[in-house]
Amino acid sequence: GAVVSQHPSWVICKSGTSVKIECRSLDFQATTMFWYRQFPKQSLMLMATSNEGSKATYEQGVEKDKFLINHASLTLSTLTVTSAHPEDSSFYICSARDRWAGGNYGYTFGSGTRLTVV
Amino acid sequence: DAKTTQPTSMDCAEGRAANLPCNHSTISGNEYVYWYRQIHSQGPQYIIHGLKNNETNEMASLIITEDRKSSTLILPHATLRDTAVYYCIVRVDFGNEKLTFGTGTRLTIIP
Repeated sequence: GAVVSQHPSWVICKSGTSVKIECRSLDFQATTMFWYRQFPKQSLMLMATSNEGSKATYEQGVEKDKFLINHASLTLSTLTVTSAHPEDSSFYICSARDRWAGGNYGYTFGSGTRLTVV
Repeated sequence: DAKTTQPTSMDCAEGRAANLPCNHSTISGNEYVYWYRQIHSQGPQYIIHGLKNNETNEMASLIITEDRKSSTLILPHATLRDTAVYYCIVRVDFGNEKLTFGTGTRLTIIP
């Protein structure tokens, strides 16, 4: 089945630094990937939709200059948290859809990245 | 996407059937019902989806009422590994429509 690889699985960084999270579709092509953020004991909140070869679409309230998304190929999207602060500490999850899959079967999620900013 | 309502938490004895309800009274005619689950500190996992007919796969069964205003996910023989948060989502089934997650039901399987 479709596999989405997300790296790193966890990262600790100092306040003010930037962190890049990668999301790769291993055995399928994804024209669209989604980035979610999840705080403890809360549900997943969609941050942005990443479109291959074009600008990402951000949800209301998500700062596009702080959360940089690049989707340069059909198998890779990256999320960079710039100038991270402790309040950015969260669980970040990506999701990708097989461009050729029908129905819902194409939505596959990565295993998530736990970011801790100290 | 139509809004869904699920109980916050449920317990189920190991080996018994777990029945998770979901209300989606404002669902539109072209919206499907999807179920995902999230085991602690992992990404969500697809379980099943349906439009108006009952569906069954190797993981679960989905029962949708005739008026489509509610549905029930059934895990026939729950195991400890089924402990997770279960999300019921309704959305149209085309293109790259995003998945919007509600609060879900935290299911705990009791030994």
